[in-house]
Amino acid sequence: DSGVTQTPKHLITATGQRVTLRCSPRSGDLSVYWYQQSLDQGLQFLIQYYNGEERAKGNILERFSAQQFPDLHSELNLSSLELGDSALYFCASSSRPGLADEQYFGPGTRLTVT
Amino acid sequence: AQSVAQPEDQVNVAEGNPLTVKCTYSVSGNPYLFWYVQYPNRGLQFLLKYITGDNLVKGSYGFEAEFNKSQTSFHLKKPSALVSDSALYFCAVSPNGGATNKLIFGTGTLLAVQP
Repeated sequence: DSGVTQTPKHLITATGQRVTLRCSPRSGDLSVYWYQQSLDQGLQFLIQYYNGEERAKGNILERFSAQQFPDLHSELNLSSLELGDSALYFCASSSRPGLADEQYFGPGTRLTVT
Repeated sequence: AQSVAQPEDQVNVAEGNPLTVKCTYSVSGNPYLFWYVQYPNRGLQFLLKYITGDNLVKGSYGFEAEFNKSQTSFHLKKPSALVSDSALYFCAVSPNGGATNKLIFGTGTLLAVQP
């Protein structure tokens, strides 16, 4: 158990809908990362937050957004969902950005768009 | 642009034999390199990392990796494979310094250890 929690574990929704994925980092970790894992794209970095502030952006679509709250949990919002958004979404956390600290991954949320 | 290549989709090895999972990278500057393992229906688990110093890095579960700057490689090794090592292995690189340590992953290598 990495100490990173993600809810829900599974999510099935229809095209055009909006969903919110939630992540709680390990106790004491200030940095949260979101990754998408799909058969087409592999593991892709989406976005990073550090202590409530956006720190880095990767291949995140404009339909997707995220935020980190004062209690350090993070939410990833996916809107106008398309079939191609079906993937496993991972959250990870680390204590310090930019210093090559290892990241601890949650179990993931499997999103299926029908 | 930074990238990581894992040239083998799958590696098959008999239990008790040594294993190697290959990784090459392309970065500007000095890289931070990582290996993660993913078991079925689980998140990724950190195995080891190279930042600087000794080219041979030891990690969890008896794994080690050798950093080779001239060949831009960071191969994962284990002297004696176990059936329980069967999993998906990812090599990753992180930008050196700066405000982020986002990970750029390779495509993954499925390790199958036969009893």
